Amino acid sequence: NAGVTQTPKFQVLKTGQSMTLQCAQDMNHEYMSWYRQDPGMGLRLIHYSVGAGITDQGEVPNGYNVSRSTTEDFPLRLLSAAPSQTSVYFCASTGVNTEAFFGQGTRLTVV
Amino acid sequence: RKEVEQDPGPFNVPEGATVAFNCTYSNSASQSFFWYRQDCRKEPKLLMSVYSSGNEDGRFTAQLNRASQYISLLIRDSKLSDSATYLCVVNPNAGGTSYGKLTFGQGTILTVHP
Repeated sequence: NAGVTQTPKFQVLKTGQSMTLQCAQDMNHEYMSWYRQDPGMGLRLIHYSVGAGITDQGEVPNGYNVSRSTTEDFPLRLLSAAPSQTSVYFCASTGVNTEAFFGQGTRLTVV
Repeated sequence: RKEVEQDPGPFNVPEGATVAFNCTYSNSASQSFFWYRQDCRKEPKLLMSVYSSGNEDGRFTAQLNRASQYISLLIRDSKLSDSATYLCVVNPNAGGTSYGKLTFGQGTILTVHP
């Protein structure tokens, strides 16, 4: 009963490095999303997808890319990490009539 | 104005107390509303959905006032295990389906002490 699997749990990057945060769900949900959580700011939507091959920007998309080649996977790519991207990242999966289920989060520090 | 606003607290209450959290939202087209619970350094998890008629789940009662664009959560007989951050969450899509897009308040921190 995995639900939403998100990796890695922790990551430290140097400014300018790139990396991919992985997210996979096994619930056959149509909708997947990436959020970042900063102190005092709540969760903010980065990108989301309504199905394989379809993605769109959320509230804070700059500096991030996504793709959705399969229903199950929705990776988030940081092309050139900046200290402002230090945050906790959550992937979420939502069905048509379900709540949002979240992965365990990735704590990213950019130095 | 933020789309979803909560009093961040923190709320410090003794065991057995009743505590209420409030939340306001700015998008009048929003169709569905939720309270999520987030434990320290963990992912958010659904506590309860909020229905127009109000709904209750054990010690927890949620209320929605569409006219005032206001949501509340009442916790009765607080337990130590209720200590967490409570997130007010709004589906801003007028059509009903969220498509995975949710708007979060910044969360209200609750600490229940012996």
